[in-house]
Amino acid sequence: NAGVTQTPKFRVLKTGQSMTLLCAQDMNHEYMYWYRQDPGMGLRLIHYSVGEGTTAKGEVPDGYNVSRLKKQNFLLGLESAAPSQTSVYFCAFSTLNFLDRGSYTFGSGTRLTVV
Amino acid sequence: DAKTTQPPSMDCAEGRAANLPCNHSTISGNEYVYWYRQIHSQGPQYIIHGLKNNETNEMASLIITEDRKSSTLILPHATLRDTAVYYCIVMPSGNTGKLIFGQGTTLQVKP
Repeated sequence: NAGVTQTPKFRVLKTGQSMTLLCAQDMNHEYMYWYRQDPGMGLRLIHYSVGEGTTAKGEVPDGYNVSRLKKQNFLLGLESAAPSQTSVYFCAFSTLNFLDRGSYTFGSGTRLTVV
Repeated sequence: DAKTTQPPSMDCAEGRAANLPCNHSTISGNEYVYWYRQIHSQGPQYIIHGLKNNETNEMASLIITEDRKSSTLILPHATLRDTAVYYCIVMPSGNTGKLIFGQGTTLQVKP
């Protein structure tokens, strides 16, 4: 999806391993989000950021950490992966003046399997 | 944030209009109605949003009832590529708004 790059696209982890998912945007937007989507379910918000150096918890933050050291990048970390974290992870950004555009732009997702 | 209720699934014949309903009876005055769709595990795609007036863009039309307790997304000429999960989301205005997804409606467009 234009403007949002997620890496990696696929990953298999063993229980207890750690990893970092990277979301990069090239549009200089303030607001960025990390969601997870389990099979047959809607997306659930993990963490979000309203600007460089700031982060906040969403609906399901436990087991994850995030950082926004640079405005363009929003990192999602799993310190000790568990099978329950097997999911598809989506990153998104929204415009500062989203009342006019009203839209979030989502990345294409990272498919993570924890065995 | 107000909750929404959507039917879990709907069918539509190709070329016909698809009308997807959404109930949001607890919506408050500063909350907008947003519609997104997700095609086969891709990232969700923004469709349209509105406050109280009906809205139309190149993708769809949004009809909001006068009391704002329900709305309908209309795809005027559905194609097979419109087969997707459609999410109706209510979100307050202001920069702190966060998209919270429900279960959505799975629309199957049939030839």
